[in-house]
Amino acid sequence: NAGVTQTPKFQVLKTGQSMTLQCAQDMNHEYMSWYRQDPGMGLRLIHYSVGAGITDQGEVPNGYNVSRSTTEDFPLRLLSAAPSQTSVYFCASSQQGVADTQYFGPGTRLTVL
Amino acid sequence: AQSVTQLGSHVSVSEGALVLLRCNYSSSVPPYLFWYVQYPNQGLQLLLKYTSAATLVKGINGFEAEFKKSETSFHLTKPSAHMSDAAEYFCAVKGSTGGFKTIFGAGTRLFVKA
Repeated sequence: NAGVTQTPKFQVLKTGQSMTLQCAQDMNHEYMSWYRQDPGMGLRLIHYSVGAGITDQGEVPNGYNVSRSTTEDFPLRLLSAAPSQTSVYFCASSQQGVADTQYFGPGTRLTVL
Repeated sequence: AQSVTQLGSHVSVSEGALVLLRCNYSSSVPPYLFWYVQYPNQGLQLLLKYTSAATLVKGINGFEAEFKKSETSFHLTKPSAHMSDAAEYFCAVKGSTGGFKTIFGAGTRLFVKA
C-alpha cells in the first residue's frame, strides 16, 4: 500500500514551459485535491475532485488545469509556467465524509525561472 | 466563510517544557477541526481531529487539543516537548455544509532546544 505518490520530486522550468505533475493513490479514495504551499501562507487549494470525471476549482486555480479520468490518478497541468508558480505542490486524497482525514503525498518542489 | 488563524509563526521551547500552539477559527456552521504536522521535506500527516464528539481530543505522539466553542479556539498542547517534535504544525477547518474544502492556517514552526 503506497498511499499517495507524486512525481517528480523536483522540477525546474523556464517561463512559458508547460508540464504535468503526477499524483496517484491506491486507497480507493473518491476525493483528491491539489495544494500549493508557500512560506507564511499555509496550504492553498488549487483544484479538487470528488470522483472520476468531476473536478472543481479551489482558491487559486488560475494557470492550472486538472482532469480525473480514473479514481487513482489526478494530474495537475501547468499550462504556461510563470515565476509566481514557484512553490511546493502537494496532492492529497480522502474518503468522502467531511470528517475524513486527508492523506498527503511527499510533494513536488517546482522552480520556474 | 471559514478561516483559521494560527498565532505565532514560530514557537521555541526547551526540551521537556510545555508545548502550546494556538489556533482560532471562524465558521458559520459547526466545524470539523484538524491539526496536521509536517516534518522537513515531507508531506502533512494528521495529528488529531475534532468531529463534534468529545471536546478534548487526543492524538498521536502525546499531543492533544481542546475545542472551545465560546472562544472559537482549538489549541494544541503537549506536556513535555521532545526534540523529535520539531516540525511545522498546521491547524485546519472544514464546515459540515462546506463540502470537502479544507482551509489551512499559515502554520507554526516549532523549535525545540536541548
